[in-house]
Amino acid sequence: DTGVSQNPRHKITKRGQNVTFRCDPISEHNRLYWYRQTLGQGPEFLTYFQNEAQLEKSRLLSDRFSAERPKGSFSTLEIQRTEQGDSAMYLCASSLGDPPSEQYFGPGTRLTVT
Amino acid sequence: GDSVTQMEGPVTLSEEAFLTINCTYTATGYPSLFWYVQYPGEGLQLLLKATKADDKGSNKGFEATYRKETTSFHLEKGSVQVSDSAVYFCALSSNTGKLIFGQGTTLQVKP
Repeated sequence: DTGVSQNPRHKITKRGQNVTFRCDPISEHNRLYWYRQTLGQGPEFLTYFQNEAQLEKSRLLSDRFSAERPKGSFSTLEIQRTEQGDSAMYLCASSLGDPPSEQYFGPGTRLTVT
Repeated sequence: GDSVTQMEGPVTLSEEAFLTINCTYTATGYPSLFWYVQYPGEGLQLLLKATKADDKGSNKGFEATYRKETTSFHLEKGSVQVSDSAVYFCALSSNTGKLIFGQGTTLQVKP
């Protein structure tokens, strides 16, 4: 098992453009989480999936953000009409079981909005 | 709502010094508690965890004890090394499994 992977690792986009990130969790992990981390801060929860169902969304997740996990495998996080305030590291994590065990994090996607 | 507060950094120590990073939490129910570490240029890694009161998590010489009476989970290490230089995050897990992190504490160990 190669762990949680995220693509791309870096993304530079202009304000107003749409971007999409992908997360591939550890195989057979049923839970998948998205977090956002800005410089000098701890990660903040955005949303999570149990299998293909999106069970919780943070109020940080404005209507410009959407996440999917089709078939309960990989997940995508899309940001529409990006703003400079969206610049951050977007982290994905996965875990197994219910109640969930510890989360394993991917390397993150660093988004820069110019 | 649930929250985690860590001591502010940076913390600068000499090699072989004793380390304490304070962490306190506010939560409803009985969360699990974690310390994650982020080495320069790397992703978050789980360092240790404790799932109930009085549990002690330990790994790589680091320890933390889940203290329900003081709502604390302080990280300690008896003798730090240069290779321990990193950012350390305290976190709690809600009943849905999502993690709530503190703001992180940067540790710099000098030879």
